[in-house]
Order: sequence, then C-alpha cells, then structure tokens
Amino acid sequence: AQKITQTQPGMFVQEKEAVTLDCTYDTSDQSYGLFWYKQPSSGEMIFLIYQGSYDEQNATEGRYSLNFQKARKSANLVISASQLGDSAMYFCAMREVSGSARQLTFGSGTQLTVLP
Amino acid sequence: GAVVSQHPSRVICKSGTSVKIECRSLDFQATTMFWYRQFPKKSLMLMATSNEGSKATYEQGVEKDKFLINHASLTLSTLTVTSAHPEDSSFYICSARGRVRFTDTQYFGPGTRLTVL
Repeated sequence: AQKITQTQPGMFVQEKEAVTLDCTYDTSDQSYGLFWYKQPSSGEMIFLIYQGSYDEQNATEGRYSLNFQKARKSANLVISASQLGDSAMYFCAMREVSGSARQLTFGSGTQLTVLP
Repeated sequence: GAVVSQHPSRVICKSGTSVKIECRSLDFQATTMFWYRQFPKKSLMLMATSNEGSKATYEQGVEKDKFLINHASLTLSTLTVTSAHPEDSSFYICSARGRVRFTDTQYFGPGTRLTVL
C-alpha cells in the first residue's frame, strides 16, 4: 500500500486565491512527522512546513498552513493568497519513527499552476 | 533556513567515466545524509542513506558498486557514479538531516543533473 498518497497530479488556482493540496498517509506508528516540500522548475526541494503527529495545533508558516486531520490520516497543505511564484511541484512526505534511518517517504507530487 | 550545497549542479560526461557529486551541509551538522534520484515529472526515489563514519545503507535495487557513497564528515557526503552509462542520466538530489530551530528536518541540496552521453 502507498504510504503517502497525493491524488491530484495537477491543480490550477487563480492568483490571490487560496488552494488546498491533498495528502493522505498510511502508518501504524504512533509517532511520525509530516512534511511538505516545494520543487520549482530549478529542481531544488524547498522545505515548507512540518507537522508532528503529537502536535495538537495545525502547523502554520506564513501563507502555508497544514490541515492535519489525524483520524482521517490526512495532512493537506493550504496556500493562501496564491502568487505566481507558487507555481511548482509540491510533495508531501512522511517520516516514521520505526524506520531504521527514519528517512522520508514521498508522495507522487502535485503540480500547481497559479494563473494570472 | 538551513543550507545544503551540492556540486556540481550539472555534469555531462562520456559513457564509461566516473562522476563524483558532493553534498555539504553549510550551517548545521548532518547526522544522516540521503541520496535520491528523480526522473522527469516523478517523485524522489531514495537510493541510499549514509551516516558519518559508517557504510551507506542502500535501497533494494540500487547497486552499491555502481553508486559509491562516502560520508567523510558531519558536513560532507559524496556520491560517485562509477562507469556511468546513459541510463544513469538523471537528477540526483542529496539531503542532510539535522536539528535546526528545534526541529529534526531534512534539508535538500539544489540537485545535480547528470547527462551521460
């Protein structure tokens, strides 16, 4: 089974609007971390936001917020007031405590295009 | 934010030659470094995990003799693609894991685009 599922291969949003990128995960660990990364066309992976499984509040970083619904095992990324520079590939990732090296497992990504 | 550098950013080489890619964590000590490979429009595939001073752990299907990883210090890891072939052409990304601002996070280098002719 996929550990991280991103069901939206592509998304479009109008500039200045908000957009939600979906991410669901599968783990039997009680302790885990969820991450979102942005990858523009240059290829660099840019860390956006982190949510720990025991964090009671949803993480926020500027225009990014993570809608964490633990019971549903979802960790959607919300980008408010979209900008043209937000156009990029977005990856959701999880790190489980039980993994030997606790490496990140990535979803397949969502290509976001912000329209002027 | 934390910075991870990767060098070179692009390399073109002839088939049969070896290519070395360096990954450095510039402002934090990386307990673990990871090497990923990414094909166009695809997600990152973990190739191997390395801890400073010990042998790398390779993912299933990754040839350890072909992709040599050395983690010489807490700030430097290298990936050497030996006897490169055109099918090794890809985007290689390193990642360094460390504690920055109380968060245990992975930071990524800018990637190296390898083209083997």
